[in-house]
Amino acid sequence: DARVTQTPRHKVTEMGQEVTMRCQPILGHNTVFWYRQTMMQGLELLAYFRNRAPLDDSGMPKDRFSAEMPDATLATLKIQPSEPRDSAVYFCASGLGTLYSNQPQHFGDGTRLSIL
Amino acid sequence: GENVEQHPSTLSVQEGDSAVIKCTYSDSASNYFPWYKQELGKGPQLIIDIRSNVGEKKDQRIAVTLNKTAKHFSLHITETQPEDSAVYFCAASGYNFNKFYFGSGTKLNVKP
Repeated sequence: DARVTQTPRHKVTEMGQEVTMRCQPILGHNTVFWYRQTMMQGLELLAYFRNRAPLDDSGMPKDRFSAEMPDATLATLKIQPSEPRDSAVYFCASGLGTLYSNQPQHFGDGTRLSIL
Repeated sequence: GENVEQHPSTLSVQEGDSAVIKCTYSDSASNYFPWYKQELGKGPQLIIDIRSNVGEKKDQRIAVTLNKTAKHFSLHITETQPEDSAVYFCAASGYNFNKFYFGSGTKLNVKP
């Protein structure tokens, strides 16, 4: 089965350091989503892309977070500088989306981030 | 925008019993309603979905019902097993390039 791949799976770093999380969406999917989850709580949408173009990043703290898709096989989420409150699990999901048709989002297994 | 509410937040059942999780949504334009199961240390996995032109869908022990008039949909799990223990999320989506609005999750515990 095709899967969304996220790296690293775990990251521990000190406050103030730059953190980069990577996601390889399923081949052929045209929408990519970044979510944040704390303590097995709800899924908070940070940003999403369609055909590599950002559609909505209103859920993301702009001063320290940035999300990009350098190419169709790679999405990145960066935090600079990182803060302890950024500690969470970050999920990437991909799907096939059009304006008039919805398909399931497929999730990776997340990056567990701890900022000391 | 869309608002999805999910109840209960926790649910404990005895093995073999049924479990029901309910969600309501606010936007009548929503037309796709997936359900996800999240196990510890894993990402959410799709278990069943339903579109607005269907009232009910079943897949073995899992079923989803949709009431468009009342704007609510429910997940039904019959003959629960310990491996059904997980967090379950509902979501709603409309004509918006696959953007989902998730409920807050239900932690299901199935006691052996």
